[in-house]
Amino acid sequence: DGGITQSPKYLFRKEGQNVTLSCEQNLNHDAMYWYRQDPGQGLRLIYYSQIVNDFQKGDIAEGYSVSREKKESFPLTVTSAQKNPTAFYLCASSTGGTGGNEQYFGPGTRLTVT
Amino acid sequence: AQSVTQLDSQVPVFEEAPVELRCNYSSSVSVYLFWYVQYPNQGLQLLLKYLSGSTLVKGINGFEAEFNKSQTSFHLRKPSVHISDTAEYFCAVRAAGNKLTFGGGTRVLVKP
Repeated sequence: DGGITQSPKYLFRKEGQNVTLSCEQNLNHDAMYWYRQDPGQGLRLIYYSQIVNDFQKGDIAEGYSVSREKKESFPLTVTSAQKNPTAFYLCASSTGGTGGNEQYFGPGTRLTVT
Repeated sequence: AQSVTQLDSQVPVFEEAPVELRCNYSSSVSVYLFWYVQYPNQGLQLLLKYLSGSTLVKGINGFEAEFNKSQTSFHLRKPSVHISDTAEYFCAVRAAGNKLTFGGGTRVLVKP
């Protein structure tokens, strides 16, 4: 089955620790995205990548980093510089970064930092 | 810049009743419009999208939406809801060359 996998589903970390969230897709999509979801705020774009070895900041990139070394993978690191990291993180992919191409979403990772 | 406003944060509705979720957008250029559904603790799933052509778009699970350019709206409707339609619904817009922008979401609670 083609799709997007995110692991783990739940993640707990202590304040001050960096943590990496995994996102893998086997849809052969060029573009991949990371969103953060907070209650009542919809989805906010953290980073996106339209091609391997290239990525751009979204609306709320501060405190986050990404890499895109393989087409299938787009891991997100939440660094200790992120002031309020507890949230639900969603990864998505699409055939292209613009136009009417729909984005396909993974099941999400819920990160709790205490 | 583009923006999306979902006018209702929560919509309670009885089973088998109709529901309408309102979405308004702002953009100075032509847009593509999407509705997604999110069930609890899951990712988003596409319900329907408007790219061009007929302004009435039919999607999965009996949902439909109407694009109104003059009102800059893309309201989502279902004539008869089921308990299983309890979820959060997101309207999203993309202008050509821009990123996808999401509204704040509308929680639908279907009551028996």
